[in-house]
Amino acid sequence: AQSVAQPEDQVNVAEGNPLTVKCTYSVSGNPYLFWYVQYPNRGLQFLLKYITGDNLVKGSYGFEAEFNKSQTSFHLKKPSALVSDSALYFCAVRDGANDYKLSFGAGTTVTVRA
Amino acid sequence: DTEVTQTPKHLVMGMTNKKSLKCEQHMGHRAMYWYKQKAKKPPELMFVYSYEKLSINESVPSRFSPECPNSSLLNLHLHALQPEDSALYLCASSHEEGSYNEQFFGPGTRLTVL
Repeated sequence: AQSVAQPEDQVNVAEGNPLTVKCTYSVSGNPYLFWYVQYPNRGLQFLLKYITGDNLVKGSYGFEAEFNKSQTSFHLKKPSALVSDSALYFCAVRDGANDYKLSFGAGTTVTVRA
Repeated sequence: DTEVTQTPKHLVMGMTNKKSLKCEQHMGHRAMYWYKQKAKKPPELMFVYSYEKLSINESVPSRFSPECPNSSLLNLHLHALQPEDSALYLCASSHEEGSYNEQFFGPGTRLTVL
């Protein structure tokens, strides 16, 4: 079975500081990993994905994520956070050996203070 | 056109009412999804349509009835709902139902069952 863990319910950072949102996964086959962001009263927006290749993936709005196979992690990062990055972030995984559905983490609420 | 639209934005209905949610995309995507999301929780998959055929039903109660009239449209018919069905209902689409295809989400319909 596939699963995703986001160990932090909340992340608080000051504007201009680096932002990291953690994600670890468990799959039996090759992982396909995704990050989504949800602003209040909105749907989810796709940020980036890892399928294969370069472990550092660049996405929308200046976000990037690093795939680490040995640590089974896919942490989301942004070098300099903005107040407008305050939102709910979801990590998701699909198991390449079990092409059933997308499994979401519980979500991490990011608050960036001015 | 790179968006998924959903109507209505808000819906209030009694337990004896019949209503429908509508979702539309014009990205040529062949997979479409219905999710249910409770506040600050990850989305829960309900149904998947692939090439206009129902591919996955996540054991959803029969008071929810999906329909895919064509490749651009997805409906969710609601009948005899319960107060616990109140939630944000999200529609999504992807190029195909494959592992590596990211899903694009609509803004959702906020459903309240009285």
